Amino acid sequence: GENVEQHPSTLSVQEGDSAVIKCTYSDSASNYFPWYKQELGKRPQLIIDIRSNVGEKKDQRIAVTLNKTAKHFSLHITETQPEDSAVYFCAASKSDNDMRFGAGTRLTVKP
Amino acid sequence: SQTIHQWPATLVQPVGSPLSLECTVEGTSNPNLYWYRQAAGRGLQLLFYSVGIGQISSEVPQNLSASRPQDRQFILSSKKLLLSDSGFYLCAWSLAGVGRPLHFGNGTRLTVT
Repeated sequence: GENVEQHPSTLSVQEGDSAVIKCTYSDSASNYFPWYKQELGKRPQLIIDIRSNVGEKKDQRIAVTLNKTAKHFSLHITETQPEDSAVYFCAASKSDNDMRFGAGTRLTVKP
Repeated sequence: SQTIHQWPATLVQPVGSPLSLECTVEGTSNPNLYWYRQAAGRGLQLLFYSVGIGQISSEVPQNLSASRPQDRQFILSSKKLLLSDSGFYLCAWSLAGVGRPLHFGNGTRLTVT
């Protein structure tokens, strides 16, 4: 089955700096890659996603890049703010019932 | 718009007691439904998923079970809880088909004592 690895497990940045979280996946058939943000004690919420026919997608301060050849994808957050502090999860799937998540990255943005 | 309800929000149960967590979805028909578990500070582990009434697939063998008695209702159960069942349980739904995001409920924090 699919295996998703995510790193770093923790990331601390200064407010205004950029943050990058990277994930690799094992199954070359995976074709959908969402990113979720989970604030403490709350549910994960989708922040951005990308499909395998696209190399990059951007939504304001958030962008995701996908390298299908290398089987890795990354989340980029620019101009970080304290409210960006949360745990971020990447995921990969190839069908509608096999979404696999990375272990998560705890991002801390210091004011 | 679609909404997902999950209850209870918190639960403290003794070892050996039964468990029933419920999840319902509104505003859509024939959704895919999922149960995930998140141990403290850990990632999301898929426990069960369902693509239709009475159709349940299990990812991890354990003392938990799931049922889908109605199209938009998903129940997670156990006959006898273990200490290791403690965690944050999340129900989620998605539209059928490839490339559909999951939408999570607010979760149930279960503590087995």
